[in-house]
Amino acid sequence: RKEVEQDPGPFNVPEGATVAFNCTYSNSASQSFFWYRQDCRKEPKLLMSVYSSGNEDGRFTAQLNRASQYISLLIRDSKLSDSATYLCVVNTGSNYKLTFGKGTLLTVNP
Amino acid sequence: GAGVSQSPSNKVTEKGKDVELRCDPISGHTALYWYRQSLGQGLEFLIYFQGNSAPDKSGLPSDRFSAERTGGSVSTLTIQRTQQEDSAVYLCASSLSTDTQYFGPGTRLTVL
Repeated sequence: RKEVEQDPGPFNVPEGATVAFNCTYSNSASQSFFWYRQDCRKEPKLLMSVYSSGNEDGRFTAQLNRASQYISLLIRDSKLSDSATYLCVVNTGSNYKLTFGKGTLLTVNP
Repeated sequence: GAGVSQSPSNKVTEKGKDVELRCDPISGHTALYWYRQSLGQGLEFLIYFQGNSAPDKSGLPSDRFSAERTGGSVSTLTIQRTQQEDSAVYLCASSLSTDTQYFGPGTRLTVL
């Protein structure tokens, strides 16, 4: 099983749609979880951290299920500017070494 | 303030040549990381520097790869005798201790 696994997509959705991304991780000792966003030919940028209680930032909601080793990201009312690759990122045991999923490509269409 | 900067932004080299990639972290960030992103692949951890501690080199793919960090600031990643499979985007990130990592724009390396 890969350390961090994501559906590669691509996801093509119309503006205003709700879209959900899922991610699983293999190391049960993982402590920190993040979603990063990467635009085409750009560097990854932190979108949000993911907490056990779930957290929301505007149109974005992240959830963590430790029992199932599963992380999700929900984007509501999607905008054209949300088009990007979304990277699931896990701190796999050490306190600094991040493991990245391969990313899920999202295209929001007008 | 200024973010992480990397140079060059693009590097084309011939197989067998050595290359040096440079990273300037955010001022005051004690931790510095190098990653590699190959086409269609996720980011791959290469090496981690934290203050004056010995670096974690566990991600370096071969002994052709080395990195140093001078004065706790600027870092150089060196690839000796480059191979075509070294072609990738090399990303540097920095953080305050083990806090959020901020990435530079990367160096796109092409080995012909």
